[in-house]
Amino acid sequence: SQQGEEDPQALSIQEGENATMNCSYKTSINNLQWYRQNSGRGLVHLILIRSNEREKHSGRLRVTLDTSKKSSSLLITASRAADTASYFCATAPGNAGNMLTFGGGTRLMVKP
Amino acid sequence: SQTIHQWPATLVQPVGSPLSLECTVEGTSNPNLYWYRQAAGRGLQLLFYSVGIGQISSEVPQNLSASRPQDRQFILSSKKLLLSDSGFYLCAWSGDSLQETQYFGPGTRLLVL
Repeated sequence: SQQGEEDPQALSIQEGENATMNCSYKTSINNLQWYRQNSGRGLVHLILIRSNEREKHSGRLRVTLDTSKKSSSLLITASRAADTASYFCATAPGNAGNMLTFGGGTRLMVKP
Repeated sequence: SQTIHQWPATLVQPVGSPLSLECTVEGTSNPNLYWYRQAAGRGLQLLFYSVGIGQISSEVPQNLSASRPQDRQFILSSKKLLLSDSGFYLCAWSGDSLQETQYFGPGTRLLVL
């Protein structure tokens, strides 16, 4: 089964609002990554957070990681119409030989 | 800087025809290479990955095969396409570890009719 599962599957908000997406996983991880995909394009890496980190920031993006709850969240503050995209989390299992595994994604729509 | 190319961007093929999709990476050596398929509005399905020339690992048994004839070239092939092979095919590369950040190409949209 998939390691990471995003929630919600779809999210619609108004421009200027904050968007929060969650990712839950089942086994221990070495790191967790968030990616963005615009419609019809390849994925773009946003942030990598390691298992010993609790929070990371990049511009308007804030990622948190709670290893006790096996979950992560991606917060986009002051959203813009250009943030409309699908967002995927990917988990790197605790066994270093195992692959990075992608979740099913959250489709975010930001209405102008 | 590193770049990744995929071609063609779009392909319409009849059922039963062969397929060859190509992916090349520039600006890095001995990358790990990956082929994914994505159905409309869905997540990524890992098809193949390669840690070196001639080394291919298959994740899902299917009608497709992959080859890595050169360090930075990854090819996805089929001898006879099925309707179910339609989808969006993405190539990606990463550094030394299979757990590092992956960098994706622009994708190939394949429609099998």
